[in-house]
Amino acid sequence: SQTIHQWPATLVQPVGSPLSLECTVEGTSNPNLYWYRQAAGRGLQLLFYSVGIGQISSEVPQNLSASRPQDRQFILSSKKLLLSDSGFYLCAWNPMSSYEQYFGPGTRLTVT
Amino acid sequence: GQNIDQPTEMTATEGAIVQINCTYQTSGFNGLFWYQQHAGEAPTFLSYNVLDGLEEKGRFSSFLSRSKGYSYLLLKELQMKDSASYLCAVRVLRAGNNRKLIWGLGTSLAVNP
Repeated sequence: SQTIHQWPATLVQPVGSPLSLECTVEGTSNPNLYWYRQAAGRGLQLLFYSVGIGQISSEVPQNLSASRPQDRQFILSSKKLLLSDSGFYLCAWNPMSSYEQYFGPGTRLTVT
Repeated sequence: GQNIDQPTEMTATEGAIVQINCTYQTSGFNGLFWYQQHAGEAPTFLSYNVLDGLEEKGRFSSFLSRSKGYSYLLLKELQMKDSASYLCAVRVLRAGNNRKLIWGLGTSLAVNP
């Protein structure tokens, strides 16, 4: 069966510090991968998606970046965090043959 | 533009039936999803509709009318554990055959004993 992992589960970082969130998927190959952010009182905002290794599409201009160094690994990064980067970060995947997206457990980021 | 509307909050009683509505104005419609999200947790998939009509899955059913830009999620025999946020999402087709999910803000359902 397929499993999606995210870490860390929670993170408190000062403004201006770097960020690295990792997501891995097990039990499948060549998944589509997504990074979302859910801020308090707001809907899910798609940040990046990837259809393959090294292929990243950005949805919203911001100080975040994403990379996909391996087929089942997706990384979200920032060089300098802003207060507005606080939120619940969710990684999701869907197999090429399926419609629904499956979400990882999420990382709750608080920027202080 | 792309827009999805859902009620912000709803309240219902244990054992009852509740209907959560979702209206959308999008271009390139390619399916509608319902997800359940408990507080502090990730969303989990509930249902998918791409054709008009009702899809039933246990206590949950989802309906779609593409001509009206309307869907609803029907929850029967409500249980306390159904207290959660219910997210409506529309998949749209974009240039280059890319697909994207547009998400509503969610409906927070409180089930009371």
